[in-house]
Amino acid sequence: DQQVKQNSPSLSVQEGRISILNCDYTNSMFDYFLWYKKYPAEGPTFLISISSIKDKNEDGRFTVFLNKSAKHLSLHIVPSQPGDSAVYFCAARSINTGGFKTIFGAGTRLFVKA
Amino acid sequence: GAGVSQSPSNKVTEKGKDVELRCDPISGHTALYWYRQRLGQGLEFLIYFQGNSAPDKSGLPSDRFSAERTGESVSTLTIQRTQQEDSAVYLCASSVNPGLGVDEQFFGPGTRLTVL
Repeated sequence: DQQVKQNSPSLSVQEGRISILNCDYTNSMFDYFLWYKKYPAEGPTFLISISSIKDKNEDGRFTVFLNKSAKHLSLHIVPSQPGDSAVYFCAARSINTGGFKTIFGAGTRLFVKA
Repeated sequence: GAGVSQSPSNKVTEKGKDVELRCDPISGHTALYWYRQRLGQGLEFLIYFQGNSAPDKSGLPSDRFSAERTGESVSTLTIQRTQQEDSAVYLCASSVNPGLGVDEQFFGPGTRLTVL
């Protein structure tokens, strides 16, 4: 049962344009959503997050939008740069008995062409 | 360095052997997580430690998998009688305190396990 889904395995964008990465979830109890970025042979690094009580969070070139009614979130990168080429994981956190669990999507590989 | 470290970085083993993977979290981080990433797939939650609470083991795929953590420091993930489907990158992450709002996890570089 995939609670967090990233349906696009890859995305190719021209440098300077907007990159939009999408994520859908099924569990309405998630309280935080996060995006992580991963380069080859490295662990993921945290990029940006959004609380379930907000619908937008912006940090420089990165903006995350949350649509709770649609159970959908997206990460916008503008302008895209070649260094943004990486795998992006959407993640959602829920509070369970005894603690917190973070569920990750399968990732979307972003290619930014110079 | 001050980041999460994992050892070994690579491990090749024969089917049926036991392996032990180590994670050193960031000092002061109360929470520690283990994930598995199979080739071409996302991160699969395995186990979560938070302070002195009982760990959340709900992601461990079978009883061949176990993990321990000493206080709020080192953790070891043990896989007994390894199978070829255990081949994956095993990632460890730590966070300051998930109860304090957003839970940014800091990941180690991972251990690539290959079972022949």
